[in-house]
Order: sequence, then C-alpha cells, then structure tokens
Amino acid sequence: GAGVSQSPRYKVAKRGQDVALRCDPISGHVSLFWYQQALGQGPEFLTYFQNEAQLDKSGLPSDRFFAERPEGSVSTLKIQRTQKEDSAVYLCASSLEGQPNEKLFFGSGTQLSVL
Amino acid sequence: DAKTTQPPSMDCAEGRAANLPCNHSTISGNEYVYWYRQIHSQGPQYIIHGLKNNETNEMASLIITEDRKSSTLILPHATLRDTAVYYCIFTSGGGADGLTFGKGTHLIIQP
Repeated sequence: GAGVSQSPRYKVAKRGQDVALRCDPISGHVSLFWYQQALGQGPEFLTYFQNEAQLDKSGLPSDRFFAERPEGSVSTLKIQRTQKEDSAVYLCASSLEGQPNEKLFFGSGTQLSVL
Repeated sequence: DAKTTQPPSMDCAEGRAANLPCNHSTISGNEYVYWYRQIHSQGPQYIIHGLKNNETNEMASLIITEDRKSSTLILPHATLRDTAVYYCIFTSGGGADGLTFGKGTHLIIQP
C-alpha cells in the first residue's frame, strides 16, 4: 500500500470489553510505533518495534495494554477490559530503518470510544 | 522529556507567509528540530527537520537561531489546506526513540 493503514477507523466498546486495533505499516519499513492521542492533546508515545522485537514499551499506560508484531510487519494493539479513560485516537507510524533522523509516516488512526 | 514552547493558536491570511515560532531552550548539541503537522482527522505529517543550518524543502523553510534555542517554520504562501496543528519537536534519535509531541500551534488560514 501507499501509506500506513489502520483498522478499524472507528471502534465503540462497552466498558470491560477487549479490543484489538490493527496497523499495516508501509511495506518494508523496519520500525513501527504506536501513539495515543487524547482529545485536544498531542500524540503520546506508547511503544516501539524494530522488526518483530518490541524494543520500548515504556509508554504503555497499564498492563491492560499489549502490542505485538509477530512477523515484523502487521502490528496489533490490544486493550483488555477497556475503561472510559482509554477513549482516544490510537495512531500507528512506521519508518524505513529506525535510524536517527528518519521521518515517521503516520496512519489516520483508530478512534476508540469506550462507553 | 524534551520540551518545546509554541503559541497555542495563530491566524494567517491566505496567500501570505505563515511564520510559526518555537522555543526549545533546553536543546542539546546533537538534537535535531523536527516539525510535523496534523490536519483534522488525520495522522501527523512530517514537514521538515534541521540541526543548525536553515533548511528548505517543497513544503516549508526552517530557520534555526544561531544559539539553537528557537526556530521558525515558514510556509511561504499559505493556503486553506495548511490549516492544521503544527508540532515542533526536538530529539536526537529521530524516530527510534519515540517523538515527544506537545500541544502544538493551531494555525488557521483565513480566506
């Protein structure tokens, strides 16, 4: 594909449900990032993969959040037992090699609403 | 966390140059200044980055002061499609260490 693709575009969940958000990075991109963006705020870093290795998960807000990238391409962000405060836009980004000074390419995000 | 200071909002008339300031007084010698923008309902889009020299590309120009404590992003001929939130970020790792976004500047281009 031409860009980073995320699905679903919108997700509504009842409090306590588990959700899975998908990211298809640009083909061949080594690095993949997940960000969380609350309404009116800038994106906040969640986690980073280089190929299938999760090198940094320091931004994940709780152990209910889990991300994986088993084959080094598609990634899934899973949130267990969703809470109202999890409502946000979840953005995925990729970069070619993960080297310093590479630009990131972002998807349009998944807007999660927890009722 | 790397911190920058930007005005929360700015207006600019269509066709004029939009000059967006950013203060980054704690920047260190090996850290680059990056600018991204986010149009409503889209993900952030890379605009430009620089270390200490002024930079220009097809989208914008970046002017960095000699002491590197501030910079200005210039959109030379703003159009309505340039209405967006503009984020100024500095980092030494580019993408690899995760960008730290602030709240950015909401630039509104007036017809």
